[in-house]
Amino acid sequence: GQNIDQPTEMTATEGAIVQINCTYQTSGFNGLFWYQQHAGEAPTFLSYNVLDGLEEKGRFSSFLSRSKGYSYLLLKELQMKDSASYLCAVSASGGSYIPTFGRGTSLIVHP
Amino acid sequence: EADIYQTPRYLVIGTGKKITLECSQTMGHDKMYWYQQDPGMELHLIHYSYGVNSTEKGDLSSESTVSRIRTEHFPLTLESARPSHTSQYLCASSAPSASYTGELFFGEGSRLTVL
Repeated sequence: GQNIDQPTEMTATEGAIVQINCTYQTSGFNGLFWYQQHAGEAPTFLSYNVLDGLEEKGRFSSFLSRSKGYSYLLLKELQMKDSASYLCAVSASGGSYIPTFGRGTSLIVHP
Repeated sequence: EADIYQTPRYLVIGTGKKITLECSQTMGHDKMYWYQQDPGMELHLIHYSYGVNSTEKGDLSSESTVSRIRTEHFPLTLESARPSHTSQYLCASSAPSASYTGELFFGEGSRLTVL
């Protein structure tokens, strides 16, 4: 099986930078996803990492270290609308490649 | 843009009732999934399908059943609802890929309350 761990809650100030960490334990690693989920809404895809390193997409970047079982999502120039839950999910061959999700990190952005 | 739809969005029913949660997608995706999510908790995979006439149980044991008679349609049925079934049910789909599932497109969810 897979074990995914991320902080339950984080707070940050509008305009700042925040880093949300995710650690995982799995066999047959095949990729790591980040999703954003606003309260009462469906999760939406943010990023996918399969190789080590940083993937940048606008204000959001995601980093992966396979040897450490570690990823982070970096959000820059925070806006109030970034207040949401951020879900880390891992795809592994042992799970038929279907992403297994962590509990998510609830990010609160305040003025 | 994702085109995946779930109905009903909200449902309150009594114990023992039979219910079907509908999920349809217009993207032609072969792979479809049902996840269950309680507030503040992770998404748990309860059913998935790789295509027509293919259905598999997920990681979380569920008393629900699914069918996949058409590519675009993946309904979930509870024969006799109980209060323990109260939860949010999320349907998702993904494009076919040789080596990984790829990005999941989620519906808006069906929030079920069983009294």
